[in-house]
Amino acid sequence: AQKVTQAQTEISVVEKEDVTLDCVYETRDTTYYLFWYKQPPSGELVFLIRRNSFDEQNEISGRYSWNFQKSTSSFNFTITASQVVDSAVYFCALRRTGANSKLTFGKGITLSVRP
Amino acid sequence: EPEVTQTPSHQVTQMGQEVILRCVPISNHLYFYWYRQILGQKVEFLVSFYNNEISEKSEIFDDQFSVERPDGSNFTLKIRSTKLEDSAMYFCASSESLGGYGYTFGSGTRLTVV
Repeated sequence: AQKVTQAQTEISVVEKEDVTLDCVYETRDTTYYLFWYKQPPSGELVFLIRRNSFDEQNEISGRYSWNFQKSTSSFNFTITASQVVDSAVYFCALRRTGANSKLTFGKGITLSVRP
Repeated sequence: EPEVTQTPSHQVTQMGQEVILRCVPISNHLYFYWYRQILGQKVEFLVSFYNNEISEKSEIFDDQFSVERPDGSNFTLKIRSTKLEDSAMYFCASSESLGGYGYTFGSGTRLTVV
């Protein structure tokens, strides 16, 4: 069975602070995909990143960076110099490889960035 | 960029009524999914669909639910007799055939059962 744990439920920071959102996953598969999605108050799921299990390189995209550590089954997400527009719920998700497989989501982390 | 389109964006229905949620997946995708998110909770898998049949379904997807691809473009989720606890955001998604790498969500339909 696959499982995603986002132990933090709510995080509140002041604008310009850095913040890290934690994600720990469980799977018996040797290959899989990991995802982060952002859900703003409007409700849609905004894709942020997809990572293959065989690619452990960290990734940076603007103010966003991701740290994938297979040894600890973690895929953490850091926002540098947070902004009010970053306020949202952030979901980590796991998926088997293969064309027809479901996403297993964590419970999400509500991030509030105060001016 | 191609997108998954869902209609309506918000639907209000009376308990016991049937509802049909509609989705237009990305045109070259072959695998289709429905997910549900009860307010304030995580996104949960309902069902996956390929080659005109259900591939996998969760325990949530009971006999009250059905899916259909009535033509070459639409993918629908029907709830036969809605209950208050069916109130949720329903997301449609589609994925590519080759390796399943791509996975795109629609913007969701918020269903409110009163």
